[in-house]
Amino acid sequence: DAKTTQPTSMDCAEGRAANLPCNHSTISGNEYVYWYRQIHSQGPQYIIHGLKNNETNEMASLIITEDRKSSTLILPHATLRDTAVYYCIVRVAPFMNRDDKIIFGKGTRLHILP
Amino acid sequence: NAGVMQNPRHLVRRRGQEARLRCSPMKGHSHVYWYRQLPEEGLKFMVYLQKENIIDESGMPKERFSAEFPKEGPSILRIQQVVRGDSAAYFCASSPPNGREEQYFGPGTRLTVT
Repeated sequence: DAKTTQPTSMDCAEGRAANLPCNHSTISGNEYVYWYRQIHSQGPQYIIHGLKNNETNEMASLIITEDRKSSTLILPHATLRDTAVYYCIVRVAPFMNRDDKIIFGKGTRLHILP
Repeated sequence: NAGVMQNPRHLVRRRGQEARLRCSPMKGHSHVYWYRQLPEEGLKFMVYLQKENIIDESGMPKERFSAEFPKEGPSILRIQQVVRGDSAAYFCASSPPNGREEQYFGPGTRLTVT
Protein backbone atom coordinates (compact mmCIF):
# COMPACT_ATOMS: atom_id res chain seq x y z
CA ASP A 1 0.00 0.00 0.00
CA ALA A 2 1.03 3.59 -0.63
CA LYS A 3 2.58 5.35 2.35
CA THR A 4 1.20 8.77 1.46
CA THR A 5 -2.08 10.65 1.79
CA GLN A 6 -3.13 13.21 -0.79
CA PRO A 7 -6.35 15.13 -1.46
CA THR A 8 -8.45 13.49 -4.13
CA SER A 9 -8.73 16.58 -6.29
CA MET A 10 -7.82 20.26 -6.43
CA ASP A 11 -8.52 23.24 -8.65
CA CYS A 12 -6.13 26.05 -9.51
CA ALA A 13 -6.52 29.11 -11.73
CA GLU A 14 -4.28 29.33 -14.75
CA GLY A 15 -1.22 31.46 -14.05
CA ARG A 16 -1.41 30.99 -10.32
CA ALA A 17 0.82 28.76 -8.20
CA ALA A 18 -0.53 25.28 -7.62
CA ASN A 19 0.35 23.88 -4.19
CA LEU A 20 -0.21 20.15 -3.83
CA PRO A 21 0.08 18.75 -0.30
CA CYS A 22 1.15 15.27 0.71
CA ASN A 23 1.27 13.60 4.11
CA HIS A 24 3.82 10.85 4.77
CA SER A 25 3.91 10.58 8.54
CA THR A 26 5.52 7.11 8.57
CA ILE A 27 8.45 8.01 6.32
CA SER A 28 11.74 6.32 7.23
CA GLY A 29 15.11 7.98 7.45
CA ASN A 30 16.37 6.52 4.17
CA GLU A 31 13.22 7.23 2.19
CA TYR A 32 12.89 10.03 -0.32
CA VAL A 33 9.78 11.90 -1.42
CA TYR A 34 9.14 11.60 -5.16
CA TRP A 35 6.54 13.28 -7.31
CA TYR A 36 5.26 12.00 -10.63
CA ARG A 37 2.36 13.15 -12.73
CA GLN A 38 0.20 11.47 -15.33
CA ILE A 39 -1.44 13.58 -17.97
CA HIS A 40 -4.54 11.94 -19.40
CA SER A 41 -3.79 8.79 -21.39
CA GLN A 42 -0.02 9.29 -21.16
CA GLY A 43 2.71 7.51 -19.24
CA PRO A 44 3.75 8.90 -15.85
CA GLN A 45 6.32 11.68 -15.88
CA TYR A 46 8.93 12.23 -13.21
CA ILE A 47 8.80 15.72 -11.68
CA ILE A 48 11.11 16.01 -8.70
CA HIS A 49 12.36 14.27 -5.58
CA GLY A 50 13.99 15.20 -2.29
CA LEU A 51 15.20 13.83 1.03
CA LYS A 52 15.00 16.66 3.55
CA ASN A 53 16.10 19.84 1.84
CA ASN A 54 13.86 21.86 -0.40
CA GLU A 55 14.43 21.18 -4.08
CA THR A 56 13.74 23.13 -7.24
CA ASN A 57 14.05 22.29 -10.90
CA GLU A 58 12.66 23.62 -14.15
CA MET A 59 9.28 22.01 -13.53
CA ALA A 60 8.52 22.54 -9.86
CA SER A 61 9.64 23.12 -6.29
CA LEU A 62 9.41 20.62 -3.46
CA ILE A 63 9.07 21.85 0.10
CA ILE A 64 9.60 19.19 2.81
CA THR A 65 8.78 19.99 6.43
CA GLU A 66 11.54 19.76 8.99
CA ASP A 67 10.07 16.61 10.55
CA ARG A 68 9.68 15.17 7.03
CA LYS A 69 6.13 14.07 7.74
CA SER A 70 4.64 16.16 4.96
CA SER A 71 5.61 17.98 1.81
CA THR A 72 4.22 20.33 -0.81
CA LEU A 73 4.78 20.30 -4.54
CA ILE A 74 4.61 23.77 -6.04
CA LEU A 75 3.99 24.50 -9.71
CA PRO A 76 4.82 28.20 -9.75
CA HIS A 77 2.78 29.32 -12.76
CA ALA A 78 0.24 26.67 -13.61
CA THR A 79 -0.90 26.28 -17.23
CA LEU A 80 -3.72 24.26 -18.72
CA ARG A 81 -1.15 21.64 -19.72
CA ASP A 82 -0.47 20.99 -16.03
CA THR A 83 -3.90 19.38 -15.65
CA ALA A 84 -3.03 15.85 -14.55
CA VAL A 85 -3.02 13.36 -11.70
CA TYR A 86 -0.10 14.05 -9.37
CA TYR A 87 1.39 11.21 -7.38
CA CYS A 88 3.37 11.69 -4.19
CA ILE A 89 5.51 8.62 -3.52
CA VAL A 90 7.79 7.67 -0.68
CA ARG A 91 10.55 5.26 -1.56
CA VAL A 92 14.16 4.41 -0.99
CA ALA A 93 16.32 6.06 -3.65
CA PRO A 94 17.03 3.71 -6.56
CA PHE A 95 20.78 3.79 -5.99
CA MET A 96 20.19 2.48 -2.47
CA ASN A 97 17.78 -0.29 -3.31
CA ARG A 98 18.09 -3.15 -5.75
CA ASP A 99 14.33 -3.54 -6.00
CA ASP A 100 13.10 -0.07 -6.87
CA LYS A 101 9.57 -0.65 -8.07
CA ILE A 102 7.30 2.37 -7.61
CA ILE A 103 4.17 1.98 -5.51
CA PHE A 104 1.60 4.45 -6.80
CA GLY A 105 -1.33 5.62 -4.69
CA LYS A 106 -4.45 7.32 -5.99
CA GLY A 107 -2.83 10.75 -6.36
CA THR A 108 -4.41 14.19 -6.62
CA ARG A 109 -6.37 15.11 -9.72
CA LEU A 110 -5.35 18.72 -10.42
CA HIS A 111 -7.62 20.80 -12.63
CA ILE A 112 -6.19 24.03 -14.00
CA LEU A 113 -9.02 26.42 -14.71
CA PRO A 114 -8.83 28.98 -17.54
CA ASN B 1 17.86 10.44 -27.47
CA ALA B 2 14.65 8.56 -28.08
CA GLY B 3 12.50 7.83 -25.07
CA VAL B 4 10.96 4.56 -24.02
CA MET B 5 9.04 3.08 -26.91
CA GLN B 6 6.09 0.75 -26.67
CA ASN B 7 4.21 -1.00 -29.40
CA PRO B 8 1.61 -1.44 -30.37
CA ARG B 9 -0.06 1.62 -28.86
CA HIS B 10 -3.46 0.01 -29.14
CA LEU B 11 -4.19 -3.71 -29.26
CA VAL B 12 -7.53 -5.44 -29.62
CA ARG B 13 -7.81 -9.13 -28.86
CA ARG B 14 -10.72 -11.51 -28.58
CA ARG B 15 -11.14 -13.60 -25.48
CA GLY B 16 -8.81 -16.58 -25.56
CA GLN B 17 -6.23 -15.02 -27.86
CA GLU B 18 -2.68 -14.09 -26.93
CA ALA B 19 -1.43 -10.54 -26.47
CA ARG B 20 2.22 -9.60 -26.88
CA LEU B 21 3.31 -6.15 -25.74
CA ARG B 22 6.74 -4.80 -26.58
CA CYS B 23 8.92 -2.29 -24.79
CA SER B 24 12.17 -0.82 -26.07
CA PRO B 25 13.98 0.95 -23.23
CA MET B 26 15.89 4.17 -23.59
CA LYS B 27 19.36 3.82 -25.05
CA GLY B 28 21.78 2.63 -22.40
CA HIS B 29 19.05 1.48 -20.03
CA SER B 30 19.20 -2.12 -18.90
CA HIS B 31 16.39 -2.14 -16.32
CA VAL B 32 12.78 -2.52 -17.41
CA TYR B 33 9.59 -2.32 -15.35
CA TRP B 34 6.04 -3.14 -16.35
CA TYR B 35 3.00 -1.54 -14.75
CA ARG B 36 -0.70 -2.02 -15.38
CA GLN B 37 -3.47 0.53 -15.04
CA LEU B 38 -7.00 -0.82 -15.01
CA PRO B 39 -9.79 1.57 -16.03
CA GLU B 40 -10.36 4.27 -13.39
CA GLU B 41 -7.66 2.79 -11.16
CA GLY B 42 -4.08 3.61 -10.26
CA LEU B 43 -0.89 2.15 -11.63
CA LYS B 44 0.15 -1.22 -10.26
CA PHE B 45 3.63 -2.68 -10.49
CA MET B 46 3.85 -5.99 -12.29
CA VAL B 47 7.44 -7.04 -12.93
CA TYR B 48 11.02 -5.75 -12.90
CA LEU B 49 13.58 -7.20 -15.28
CA GLN B 50 17.21 -6.74 -16.14
CA LYS B 51 18.79 -8.20 -19.24
CA GLU B 52 17.96 -11.94 -19.24
CA ASN B 53 16.86 -11.86 -15.58
CA ILE B 54 13.58 -11.40 -13.74
CA ILE B 55 14.39 -9.48 -10.57
CA ASP B 56 10.93 -9.01 -9.05
CA GLU B 57 7.69 -10.48 -10.36
CA SER B 58 5.67 -10.00 -7.22
CA GLY B 59 2.98 -8.03 -9.08
CA MET B 60 2.44 -10.52 -11.89
CA PRO B 61 -0.73 -12.62 -11.91
CA LYS B 62 0.20 -16.23 -11.27
CA GLU B 63 -1.27 -17.56 -14.47
CA ARG B 64 -1.29 -16.53 -18.13
CA PHE B 65 1.18 -13.65 -17.70
CA SER B 66 4.88 -13.81 -18.46
CA ALA B 67 7.65 -11.33 -19.20
CA GLU B 68 11.11 -11.47 -20.67
CA PHE B 69 13.93 -9.10 -21.49
CA PRO B 70 16.36 -10.91 -23.77
CA LYS B 71 19.97 -10.01 -24.36
CA GLU B 72 19.00 -8.54 -27.72
CA GLY B 73 15.71 -6.90 -28.58
CA PRO B 74 12.82 -5.43 -26.65
CA SER B 75 11.20 -6.59 -23.46
CA ILE B 76 8.03 -8.59 -24.05
CA LEU B 77 4.98 -8.85 -21.79
CA ARG B 78 2.94 -11.82 -22.89
CA ILE B 79 -0.64 -12.52 -21.87
CA GLN B 80 -2.05 -15.87 -22.87
CA GLN B 81 -5.76 -16.64 -23.25
CA VAL B 82 -6.81 -13.08 -22.56
CA VAL B 83 -10.01 -12.32 -20.67
CA ARG B 84 -12.04 -9.11 -20.50
CA GLY B 85 -10.49 -8.28 -17.14
CA ASP B 86 -7.11 -7.95 -18.84
CA SER B 87 -8.33 -4.82 -20.64
CA ALA B 88 -6.08 -2.07 -19.34
CA ALA B 89 -3.23 0.28 -20.16
CA TYR B 90 0.16 -1.38 -19.80
CA PHE B 91 3.10 0.92 -19.20
CA CYS B 92 6.76 0.13 -19.45
CA ALA B 93 9.51 2.11 -17.74
CA SER B 94 13.27 1.90 -17.96
CA SER B 95 16.26 3.06 -15.96
CA PRO B 96 20.02 2.89 -16.44
CA PRO B 97 22.27 0.27 -14.82
CA ASN B 98 23.93 2.67 -12.42
CA GLY B 99 20.70 3.06 -10.47
CA ARG B 100 21.13 6.78 -10.10
CA GLU B 101 18.36 8.00 -12.32
CA GLU B 102 14.65 7.87 -12.30
CA GLN B 103 12.40 5.52 -14.18
CA TYR B 104 11.28 6.91 -17.52
CA PHE B 105 7.90 5.75 -18.73
CA GLY B 106 6.71 4.92 -22.21
CA PRO B 107 3.39 6.00 -23.71
CA GLY B 108 1.70 2.72 -22.89
CA THR B 109 -0.18 0.01 -24.76
CA ARG B 110 -3.93 0.02 -24.43
CA LEU B 111 -5.25 -3.52 -24.55
CA THR B 112 -8.91 -4.08 -25.24
CA VAL B 113 -10.32 -7.59 -24.97
CA THR B 114 -13.62 -8.12 -26.75
